[in-house]
Amino acid sequence: DIQMTQSPSFLSASVGDRVTINCKASQNINKYLNWYQQKLGEAPKRLIYNTNNLQTGIPSRFSGSGSGTDYTLTISSLQPEDFATYFCLQHNSFPWTFGGGTKLELK
Amino acid sequence: EVQLVESGGGLVQPGASLKLSCVASGFTFSDYWMSWVRQTPGKTMEWIGDIKYDGSYTNYAPSLKNRFTISRDNAKSTLYLQMSNVRSEDTATYYCTFFVRGYWGQGVMVTVSS
Repeated sequence: DIQMTQSPSFLSASVGDRVTINCKASQNINKYLNWYQQKLGEAPKRLIYNTNNLQTGIPSRFSGSGSGTDYTLTISSLQPEDFATYFCLQHNSFPWTFGGGTKLELK
Repeated sequence: EVQLVESGGGLVQPGASLKLSCVASGFTFSDYWMSWVRQTPGKTMEWIGDIKYDGSYTNYAPSLKNRFTISRDNAKSTLYLQMSNVRSEDTATYYCTFFVRGYWGQGVMVTVSS
């Protein structure tokens, strides 16, 4: 199985900050990497698919980048509604695997 | 509007079986692969498996393959997850996902406890 190491696990930031969240795969996943946001009590919402494609309806302050084994989600200017938990998912090889999550909290 | 509505969860005893359902609407269900994902109380996400649009092929997480079965009824636009010989570690929220378009259901909780 491909292991997805997500960092940091917790991130404290302020409104307006630029933040980055990282996922490192244990092998090349050929950009088959999605990012999800989950708020308390809600289902995950896809933000980015295949590394850098913005899901319809998601604000442009969210962006993704990466290749090979290293991938990044960037939020350019945090808004109050962005405080949530974020997950990455690789869908290059079965079984698909998730990162451990990053909880983004208000500083 | 795409909607995925799961049902069938609840409290179940260890060793029992349970079948979850997911009714889909807002898209042509029979054209797409569908998936199940679960999230433990500790928030760990685990992909369970998926099923081809015509039901002819499935993929599973190796650790679950012997106990979980995914099926579908395209005439009813419904996805199923049959869980057998459940264990305490199967306690989780189970999500039906229309993976390729990024849609998830609201999830259904399954608690395995005596």
